[in-house]
This record gives sequence, structure tokens and C-alpha cells, in this order.
Amino acid sequence: SQTIHQWPATLVQPVGSPLSLECTVEGTSNPNLYWYRQAAGRGLQLLFYSVGIGQISSEVPQNLSASRPQDRQFILSSKKLLLSDSGFYLCAWSMTGESGQPQHFGDGTRLSIL
Amino acid sequence: GDSVTQMEGPVTLSEEAFLTINCTYTATGYPSLFWYVQYPGEGLQLLLKATKADDKGSNKGFEATYRKETTSFHLEKGSVQVSDSAVYFCALKGAGTYKYIFGTGTRLKVLA
Repeated sequence: SQTIHQWPATLVQPVGSPLSLECTVEGTSNPNLYWYRQAAGRGLQLLFYSVGIGQISSEVPQNLSASRPQDRQFILSSKKLLLSDSGFYLCAWSMTGESGQPQHFGDGTRLSIL
Repeated sequence: GDSVTQMEGPVTLSEEAFLTINCTYTATGYPSLFWYVQYPGEGLQLLLKATKADDKGSNKGFEATYRKETTSFHLEKGSVQVSDSAVYFCALKGAGTYKYIFGTGTRLKVLA
């Protein structure tokens, strides 16, 4: 069966520091991969998605970037964090090709910027 | 563009009450529709889905029917439990797209 792992679960970082969040998927190949941010008590904001290695689509211009160095690895990065980067970050994957496929989410990373 | 509209929360119910959370959508063609549930501090879990008109998705006592004529996908449960307290998200995926569109979520609180 397929599983998705996100780490770390919790992160506290000072303003201006760099960021790297990792997400890996097991048990499938060539998944579509997604990064979302969820502000407290709010809905999901799509940040990036990727349909293949090295292919990244950005939805919202901001202080973050994403990379997909391997088929099942998706990384969210920042060179200098802002206070507004605080939130709950979720990675998700879906199968390619077939319509009607749902997304499957990781457990999330809670990021607090001080 | 495609969009999903959910009823505003929070919804507070007594245990064993009937639940309805409204969801309507705007999309071209025939999107796939989903309900997700999020418990505090966790990611979203798929609750149920429907991929074509008149399909009924069901899971753990929850049901939702894909209504093309009213562009709706309302979530229902006949008898809620305290353990159903969570945030519920309606979502759609348009045909031929990679993106999933989510509603803003509806918080459900069930009291014993």
C-alpha cells in the first residue's frame, strides 16, 4: 500500500532563517505531488504542485520554493523565513492518469516563526 | 474558474442528531467530487468520493450524492457521534486538470 511521510512534525524557526521541509511517498511511482499551507482555522492554499521530476508549478508568488529531486520526493524551501510563513504545511500525492483519483495527505508540519 | 462553496460553521449538534453539511460547486464538464475530514493537528483524510452524476459515495455512516442538476454534493450522516467532531472539507477535481479545489471547511462539534 502507499504511504506518505512528512517531516519534521513541528518546527520553530527565527525570522530570516532558512527552511527545508521534506515529503516522500512510498508504494507508487510517478505520483503528482502537492504542497499546501493552512493558516489557523482556515482552508487550504495550494502552494506548488509537480507532475514529474524537476517539474514544478507555482500557484502563489511568495517567499517559498519547491523542488522534486527524485520521483517520490518533494521538498519545500525558503532562504529567509518571514513571520507570515507560519502555518500548517501539508504535502499530498495523487495518482496520475485516471480521473477521479483522490489526493492523499501527510500528517503535516506545524511551522512557527518567531 | 472552478470553485467550491461550503456552508459556514461551526455546526454544533447533540450526539445521535442528523448531520447535513452543504456543498455546492462550479465547474465545467464533469468533475470528481470528494469529502475529506481533518482531526485536530492532523492531515486530511479522504472520507468519500463520487466521480459521476447520481453516484453516491459512502463511508463510516457518511453519505453524499453527486447532483449534477443542482451542482451539489451535500454530506449527511444519520446519527453523529462525539468522535465525528472535526473539520470537513468538500473538494473537486476537474477533468484533465492536476489541481484540486477545496472549500473553506466546516467545523463540526458534537456534544455528548
